[in-house]
Amino acid sequence: GAVVSQHPSRVICKSGTSVKIECRSLDFQATTMFWYRQFPKQSLMLMATSNEGSKATYEQGVEKDKFLINHASLTLSTLTVTSAHPEDSSFYICSAAPLPTAETQYFGPGTRLLVL
Amino acid sequence: DAKTTQPNSMESNEEEPVHLPCNHSTISGTDYIHWYRQLPSQGPEYVIHGLTSNVNNRMASLAIAEDRKSSTLILHRATLRDAAVYYCILGEDDKIIFGKGTRLHILP
Repeated sequence: GAVVSQHPSRVICKSGTSVKIECRSLDFQATTMFWYRQFPKQSLMLMATSNEGSKATYEQGVEKDKFLINHASLTLSTLTVTSAHPEDSSFYICSAAPLPTAETQYFGPGTRLLVL
Repeated sequence: DAKTTQPNSMESNEEEPVHLPCNHSTISGTDYIHWYRQLPSQGPEYVIHGLTSNVNNRMASLAIAEDRKSSTLILHRATLRDAAVYYCILGEDDKIIFGKGTRLHILP
């Protein structure tokens, strides 16, 4: 149980375009989902907390207008990287918490974004 | 913020036990201790978590010091597939903040 999927698994886009990444909890409902970014040989960096039916909470230094998060249902959160630039190339990972207090989180397989 | 300290890297021989240490001297009474691991090019994977008592599951064991200021993740018989970065994390509200973790190398 507790499977989280991401789509697409990898994407290549041109600079200036927008890219949408989907995160789905397949066998549980998640009131809270989290988005992380990971650069090569670095740890995961929390970008934002996505709450179903309300606005996302962004970590310090993360531009909310550039990284749009929508959590319209209890099983789906989307991250849209707007006007992507090469420095946005990274590994984007989502996680979902089946409990309000998130004792355990389940992570997606990640989406590798390459902006040319 | 409650933080953890882990060695940057460790090596172990295949089919031998591995003990991964974690120090968390500023842990609060309500913080759970979580361990996740990340295999290359994959998202993190939950390993185990505990509060005060030692915990066992099919993947690993978690030994928690009596004063809770340190813990040890124990892989009883390491395989090549256990090569990964292991993260020791304290429960902090509902967010997981990742440190640098320990990169575990398994020698065949």
